[in-house]
Amino acid sequence: AQSVTQPDIHITVSEGASLELRCNYSYGATPYLFWYVQSPGQGLQLLLKYFSGDTLVQGIKGFEAEFKRSQSSFNLRKPSVHWSDAAEYFCAVGAPGSGGYQKVTFGTGTKLQVIP
Amino acid sequence: EADIYQTPRYLVIGTGKKITLECSQTMGHDKMYWYQQDPGMELHLIHYSYGVNSTEKGDLSSESTVSRIRTEHFPLTLESARPSHTSQYLCASSERRANTGELFFGEGSRLTVL
Repeated sequence: AQSVTQPDIHITVSEGASLELRCNYSYGATPYLFWYVQSPGQGLQLLLKYFSGDTLVQGIKGFEAEFKRSQSSFNLRKPSVHWSDAAEYFCAVGAPGSGGYQKVTFGTGTKLQVIP
Repeated sequence: EADIYQTPRYLVIGTGKKITLECSQTMGHDKMYWYQQDPGMELHLIHYSYGVNSTEKGDLSSESTVSRIRTEHFPLTLESARPSHTSQYLCASSERRANTGELFFGEGSRLTVL
């Protein structure tokens, strides 16, 4: 069974600073990997996804993530954070489940606070 | 732009009441899901459906029930709400052919049972 670990529960960065959110997964093969963002009181929105190919993937809102097989990681980065990026970020992994559908497992999330 | 809609967004009710959380999507997706989300916890899958007349239990046991009579509609029902049911419920859908696990979420229904 797959699992996802987001070691940072809460991160605070200054506006304009760079950001890296960590995600480690456990799965025997190469899974499908996702980052979702959730603003307060909202559902989750897909930021980016990795299925195969180039290990550096670009997403919406200026985010990118790098898949590192050797480290079982899929860290999310942004070079310059904006106040509107304050939200909770969830890493997720999809792997084949029963019945032929993709079982998606989410991490516990990292809450990002942006200070002036 | 969300094409999956949940109502109500917020609901406060008393113990013992029957509630139905509505979820509709206009993307024609075959697969639909209900997740339960509590603060500081991962999202837990409580129900899913492959298509019309298909419903399955998820990883987290739930006293709620679901139905899938139409492709676009996947309501969740609690026959007798209790304070332990207080949580946020997120509906999602995915495209069956792609089968990548990419999910499209609604904005959630936050339920408080007094």
